[in-house]
Amino acid sequence: QVQLVESGGGLVKPGGSLRLSCAGAGFTFSDYYMSWIRQAPGKGLERFSYISGSGDTIHYADSVKGRFTISRDNAKNSLHLQMDILRVDDTAVYYCARGVILDYWGQGTLVTVSS
Amino acid sequence: EIVLTQSPGTLSLSPGERATLSCRASQSVSSSYLAWYQQKPGQAPRLLIYGASSRVTGIPDRFSGSGSGTDFTLTISRLEPEDFAVYYCQQFGGSAPYTFGQGTKLEIK
Repeated sequence: QVQLVESGGGLVKPGGSLRLSCAGAGFTFSDYYMSWIRQAPGKGLERFSYISGSGDTIHYADSVKGRFTISRDNAKNSLHLQMDILRVDDTAVYYCARGVILDYWGQGTLVTVSS
Repeated sequence: EIVLTQSPGTLSLSPGERATLSCRASQSVSSSYLAWYQQKPGQAPRLLIYGASSRVTGIPDRFSGSGSGTDFTLTISRLEPEDFAVYYCQQFGGSAPYTFGQGTKLEIK
């Protein structure tokens, strides 16, 4: 069955960096767009980045553009998010999800940006 | 950017009642690119409906989606206790950014 497992969350100071990963299993990873979605505490969902199956199409929301970098390693069935220049308002649960329609989601990993 | 506005913000109903959730877009959205998700506390969202009206395999038939253009609806015909959750619509047509509505909380009355 399809599984997505995020890792790499934690506590980081403002201005710091963190790298999240998402391991996919149970499907042909390279066939699918993959997305990162985040949810600040008590708030709604923000789909802030996605990458095509081949990696040649990438999108960032304005809120993270220039600070976050999405990438994937299809040989290892993994999706990554390099987060730099983190801000307090980046505090959220970060989810990875499959495809354009987000048909499968990981369980999420919490990123807390605080001094 | 297409803005999705969900209403009501909170809906208080009893088990067995019918729930009607609205998602209105700031500009026309192709029905193919409108989806609904359910999120329970402490859990990741779950896809319920895609293409505005197609139910995901395994989703009970009391859930149905409808609509076109700028107005979309999620209907739950007879509420079960496990249906009380937050529901989000999302559009992913055309060019990014792809956006979610702010959510409707369905709570037990």
